[in-house]
Amino acid sequence: DVKVTQSSRYLVKRTGEKVFLECVQDMDHENMFWYRQDPGLGLRLIYFSYDVKMKEKGDIPEGYSVSREKKERFSLILESASTNQTSMYLCASSTGRLSNNGYTFGSGTRLTVV
Amino acid sequence: GIQVEQSPPDLILQEGANSTLRCNFSDSVNNLQWFHQNPWGQLINLFYIPSGTKQNGRLSATTVATERYSLLYISSSQTTDSGVYFCAVEENNTDKLIFGTGTRLQVFP
Repeated sequence: DVKVTQSSRYLVKRTGEKVFLECVQDMDHENMFWYRQDPGLGLRLIYFSYDVKMKEKGDIPEGYSVSREKKERFSLILESASTNQTSMYLCASSTGRLSNNGYTFGSGTRLTVV
Repeated sequence: GIQVEQSPPDLILQEGANSTLRCNFSDSVNNLQWFHQNPWGQLINLFYIPSGTKQNGRLSATTVATERYSLLYISSSQTTDSGVYFCAVEENNTDKLIFGTGTRLQVFP
């Protein structure tokens, strides 16, 4: 089975800190995605990547950046954390074209910014 | 961009009951998926169903692409079915999934 691992399950950071959220997948998937989930808003796409060193903005990229130096790893960076970035962050990966396997998600990182 | 709407937003059932969840989308799509998020936050892919009907145990899904909707059926619901069900569609052959706001299902014994 494809496994997507997020480095932290819960994280508490202070306003203004630089925050790194790490995601690693083990099935050689080309595509990786970062979403945030908030009550009543569903999942919203922050950034995604189709290949190493490639990145594309999603619907809500402001305040975030990403890094994909290796195919299996996709990092989300909060340059200067703010309280409105308190949320559940979900990483996902998929093959080059959507298939019957679809997306595989990590278990999420619940970030609290105080 | 494409809009995805799910209904109902909340659903409360007693164990053994059947239910139907609906997903409407605003434009033609090549791909549609249903996910279940358990109470611990893990999202699991249930169906990849851009058109037609599929069944997996007590769950089945039907997508009528020409009318821009999909239905998820849950029969003989169990407490383990509780959680949030999301519908997601692919945007313009980009491999990007756009999610609806979900249906929160609670099944009581």
